[in-house]
Amino acid sequence: QITLKESGPKLVKPTQTLTLTCTFSGFSLRTSGVGVDWIRQPPGKALEWLALIYWDDNKYYKPSLKNRLTITKDTSKNQVFLIMTNMDPVDTATYYCAHRRPGLGSTSFDYWGQGTLVSVSS
Amino acid sequence: DIQMTQSPSSLSASVGDRVTITCRASQYISNSLNWYQQKPGKAPNLLIYAASSLQSGVPSRFSGGGSGTDFSLTISSLQPEDFATYYCQQSYGAPWTFGQGTKVEIK
Repeated sequence: QITLKESGPKLVKPTQTLTLTCTFSGFSLRTSGVGVDWIRQPPGKALEWLALIYWDDNKYYKPSLKNRLTITKDTSKNQVFLIMTNMDPVDTATYYCAHRRPGLGSTSFDYWGQGTLVSVSS
Repeated sequence: DIQMTQSPSSLSASVGDRVTITCRASQYISNSLNWYQQKPGKAPNLLIYAASSLQSGVPSRFSGGGSGTDFSLTISSLQPEDFATYYCQQSYGAPWTFGQGTKVEIK
């Protein structure tokens, strides 16, 4: 059974750096084809994909946020991290991590964490 | 980036109605299209992947179709638990993008 859970601060100040942790079980980032994504959703708005890390440490970022985002993993602890610098009130959102279905070509997010709401305010 | 446009943005329907939501991609994406259902305060739930494949455990009243740039999600007979917001998402390539959502409300 695959589960994921996000953790991190609920409140950050503008200009601060946010670090979120995704702790997962039921799969391993040592397995070929496996990936974990971060996706966010501002209150009342649509979903926005942010970043992806694969088992082989290949990484992808949303281009408009690339200079603010870093995704890393600790395979031994079954954790993926998202670091976002220079936080702004517009970054207030629920942040989700998700398991990417392995496979060639088209993939999907088949398991999601419960999400963690991060507010940015002074 | 590939833009995904859903229509309508919201709709009102009754239990038992047949409901169709459409999603258009700004460029060709083959069948690389997924559909998610999201209820208030909950994470999205994968319904359909690769345009028309039903995710395990999802009721058969949900179906997906289309290819290229135009796609649809159909609920054959709307049930009380189906009132939610639905999102399409392209998986053709990075950056992976979502539609703006379609909220299905009770008439």
